[in-house]
Amino acid sequence: RKEVEQDPGPFNVPEGATVAFNCTYSNSASQSFFWYRQDCRKEPKLLMSVYSSGNEDGRFTAQLNRASQYISLLIRDSKLSDSATYLCVVNVPGTYKYIFGTGTRLKVLA
Amino acid sequence: GVSQNPRHKITKRGQNVTFRCDPISEHNRLYWYRQTLGQGPEFLIYFQGTGAADDSGLPNDRFFAVRPEGSVSTLKIQRTERGDSAVYLCASSLLRQGAGGTDTQYFGPGTRLTVL
Repeated sequence: RKEVEQDPGPFNVPEGATVAFNCTYSNSASQSFFWYRQDCRKEPKLLMSVYSSGNEDGRFTAQLNRASQYISLLIRDSKLSDSATYLCVVNVPGTYKYIFGTGTRLKVLA
Repeated sequence: GVSQNPRHKITKRGQNVTFRCDPISEHNRLYWYRQTLGQGPEFLIYFQGTGAADDSGLPNDRFFAVRPEGSVSTLKIQRTERGDSAVYLCASSLLRQGAGGTDTQYFGPGTRLTVL
């Protein structure tokens, strides 16, 4: 099993739709989780950290499910500008080393 | 923000290359990653201050990174091979003690290496 796994997509959704991505991780002792956004040929940019209790930032909601070892990202009311690759990031327990998933590609269609 | 140079480097197989990263000034950690098409960034090394805290991601001894004064870092690849072609990303973070001790990484624009 890969350390961090994501469905590569692409997820093609119409504007205004709600879309959710999951990311599974293999090490149950991982403590730090993030979602990054990466536009084509650009660097990754932090979208949000993922907290144990779940957290929301505008149209974006992140959740952590420790029992099933996955994190999720929910995007409501999708905009064309949300089209990007979403990278899941998980720390290696006991270190500040981070493993990135391969990313999930989202295309929001007009 | 984090700056990197050069932004692009084309070299012939067997040549040595050096990349520079200027982190955000107050950040105490610096990371190097490489990314190939369709993949997420792959960890190479990170520095806490001047020392390499974890270099377990360096693929072999042709790769070498330093951060002599705790700010700017250089990544060197000796005797480049075609398989080294990738985008080399640098990120910096400020580890805040307490609050779970998590650190958020901010990435530079990357250096795109092409080995012919």
